Amino acid sequence: GDSVTQMEGPVTLSEEAFLTINCTYTATGYPSLFWYVQYPGEGLQLLLKATKADDKGSNKGFEATYRKETTSFHLEKGSVQVSDSAVYFCALSDPGNQFYFGTGTSLTVIP
Amino acid sequence: GAGVSQTPSNKVTEKGKYVELRCDPISGHTALYWYRQSLGQGPEFLIYFQGTGAADDSGLPNDRFFAVRPEGSVSTLKIQRTERGDSAVYLCASSPFSGNYNEQFFGPGTRLTVL
Repeated sequence: GDSVTQMEGPVTLSEEAFLTINCTYTATGYPSLFWYVQYPGEGLQLLLKATKADDKGSNKGFEATYRKETTSFHLEKGSVQVSDSAVYFCALSDPGNQFYFGTGTSLTVIP
Repeated sequence: GAGVSQTPSNKVTEKGKYVELRCDPISGHTALYWYRQSLGQGPEFLIYFQGTGAADDSGLPNDRFFAVRPEGSVSTLKIQRTERGDSAVYLCASSPFSGNYNEQFFGPGTRLTVL
């Protein structure tokens, strides 16, 4: 069945460092791909999405490109801030509207 | 505007008891999802409603779990004969319409603890 595998954490970075969180997926059809973020004490919220191959989703300085050839959707940010500290979840949705989430990657950014 | 709300925020119960968890989606959202999230894990799909009907309940772990959405708005997740392994955060999400590229809006979750 469909699934998402993401890089295990926790990840600790200094402010202004470059961030990459790897995500790969397995899907039988043509899924849409998402990154969700959960800030401390808050609910899950959508960070960015891509609905077809080669699409790039971007928001708040974060980017991820839907790579069909490598079945990947890695999250990147050029310069992280302390306020980016959160748990990040990669997810896919299949044509049946079922969502599959990765296990989450905890990011801590230190000043 | 109001987001997705879930009540209660915390529920502590004893093994074998029955519990109900409520979700109020964003007004007008036709799709509603229930997930279960265990510590250190991502949300695990339980059931998806489109309107009043369960479009996909393949994620419900067993027949102790049941969910309803009688008027196509509020949904209740019901767990019978609770077990300690049911302890988790139960998340609800709603979406404006079906389609696999639509954003899901999540509620804050209900933390269920079964003693």
